[in-house]
Amino acid sequence: QVQLKETGPDLVQLTQTLSITCTVSGFSLTTYNVHWVRQPPGKGLEWMGAMWNGGGTDYNSAFKSRLSISRDTSKSQVFLKMNSLQTDDTAKYFCARHPLIPHWDYFDYWGQGVMVTVSS
Amino acid sequence: DIQMTQSPASLSASLGETISIECRASEDIYSNLAWYQQKSGKSPQLLIYAANRLQDGVPSRFSGSGSGTQYSLKISGMQPEDEGDYFCLQGSKFPFTFGSGTKLEIK
Repeated sequence: QVQLKETGPDLVQLTQTLSITCTVSGFSLTTYNVHWVRQPPGKGLEWMGAMWNGGGTDYNSAFKSRLSISRDTSKSQVFLKMNSLQTDDTAKYFCARHPLIPHWDYFDYWGQGVMVTVSS
Repeated sequence: DIQMTQSPASLSASLGETISIECRASEDIYSNLAWYQQKSGKSPQLLIYAANRLQDGVPSRFSGSGSGTQYSLKISGMQPEDEGDYFCLQGSKFPFTFGSGTKLEIK
């Protein structure tokens, strides 16, 4: 059974660093890609970045150099770290699985998300 | 970045009614489009990928169509459990981008 579960803080102070862990089960991080997506309250979804099955990463340039994605395949975990948090980083953060199907790129399973509030 | 323009923003439908939601891309996305349903407080559920391929387990009343820059999701016969938010995702080019969403309610 495929599952993704995000764990992280509910509250982060302004200018501090956010760290979220996505723990997956039912599949291997070496055969699927995992992405991070966020959703501010009442707003649309924003793609943040990807951890590729081979260990490489890609980031949305909107996050400039604030964002870092890494993984520990032995623990089936993907990590998001974002620094210099601002109030508009308040959002629900999701990890999602991206199957390796040639030409077709989409997310077939998502975690339940973790709501993070940036407080001043 | 590819802009995904989704319409309508909200929709109210009667039980049994057929409805359509549209997504228009700012450039050709070569059918690399997925549709999702999201219920309040829950994670998105994949309905359609590759513009018209039904994800396993999704009721056949959901269908997708389109090509190039224009895509649509159709629900043939609205059911109570279809209430929720719907959005599209383009996977043709980085950064992946989403439509702004459609809130579907029962009339």
